[in-house]
Order: sequence, then structure tokens, then C-alpha cells
Amino acid sequence: GAGVSQSPRYKVAKRGQDVALRCDPISGHVSLFWYQQALGQGPEFLTYFQNEAQLDKSGLPSDRFFAERPEGSVSTLKIQRTQQEDSAVYLCASQIGTSGREGTDTQYFGPGTRLTVL
Amino acid sequence: AQSVTQPDIHITVSEGASLELRCNYSYGATPYLFWYVQSPGQGLQLLLKYFSGDTLVQGIKGFEAEFKRSQSSFNLRKPSVHWSDAAEYFCAGRPWGKLQFGAGTQVVVTP
Repeated sequence: GAGVSQSPRYKVAKRGQDVALRCDPISGHVSLFWYQQALGQGPEFLTYFQNEAQLDKSGLPSDRFFAERPEGSVSTLKIQRTQQEDSAVYLCASQIGTSGREGTDTQYFGPGTRLTVL
Repeated sequence: AQSVTQPDIHITVSEGASLELRCNYSYGATPYLFWYVQSPGQGLQLLLKYFSGDTLVQGIKGFEAEFKRSQSSFNLRKPSVHWSDAAEYFCAGRPWGKLQFGAGTQVVVTP
């Protein structure tokens, strides 16, 4: 069984460009998470989907960041008018069940997309 | 604020020696705690997790971790490291759904 895949693996953008990062979760996984990992830091939560519903977007740093999962499978993280501070690795993770206080599921991570904004 | 702290940014250990990575948490209730490993260019791989019950948790690759409520700690250990254990290690807590990661500990293994 394939794991979580992300594309592209590397993206270089000029400041002000829009970018779209794709995540293919493990088939059948209900929950999908996006995290941002700056250089030398641990990953930081961005947003969470349960099927196609975006239940938590509290970690999105600005309104330039937008995520969607229209059919409850593949997800896209879009960053508009990229800035240098957006340079980071963007990680996607999927989980078989829903996510909550009592959930004991494991989040499986993709390899990430390294975004460099020049 | 609820968080996870890894006090050691960088650790160097000789191959064959023991390894201990520290993790402290600050959560009101008993948290769910995890250790992940990240090799260069790789995604995060789960080593082990603690939800409840036995406070000594066994993981993959010969790792174990011990949950100590009195010390608010969840330290990761391995009795004898291999060169392939060189990587970055992240402790994470999950107060609700999303994971909160520490800043990571970079492990270097010397011959």
C-alpha cells in the first residue's frame, strides 16, 4: 500500500507568485492535516480536514493561505502572493479515523514539499 | 500554554553507546505523546506513542520511552545506537487532534 505522497517535492517561487502544493493521502483515510516546518524548527499545525470539511484552520498564518479537499481525498494547499517568510517544508499527514480527544489513530506523514521563495 | 519542550538541540553519541533524548510537556490532562524521527529528505516516521496504561512504551528500531507524570517527561532511549540512527527526533503531544511538536533534537553518531 502506498503511503502519503506530496508533489512537487521542491518548489522555487519568486516573491509574489502563487503556488499550489498537492497531497495524496492514504486511500480511505478520513482525516488530513497540513503542517509547516521552518528550517531548524518542529512542524507547526496549519489546518485539518475531516473528509471534505475543513474543521480547523486556526494555524493558517494569513489569508494568503488557502486549503481545500473537495472530494474528501486529495488536498491542495495554495499560497497566494508568496513572501520570503513562507519558505519552509510543508508536510501533509493522513489518519484513518476522525481526530479528537479520544482518538488514538496514528498520523502518517508524506515526504513534504520544500518551498523556497526568492 | 500547552506545549512540548525538547531541551537538547544537538546530541553527539558514539556508535554502540546508549542514547537518551529528553522531552517535557505541559498539559493539564494526561496527554497523548509521540516520538517521531525525520531523516534528511524523508517524512516523519512514528517511533512510538503513549496513550495510557503501561508507562514504558516499546517502539520500532529498538527505541523505548518512559512516561513519568511526576516529572512531566517522556524521554526516548536506545541502549545501543547504530550509525543509521543519525537523524532528527521530534517529541509531540496531542491535546486535541492536531500534533504539537517540540523543536527537535539532532542526533549525530560518530564511529
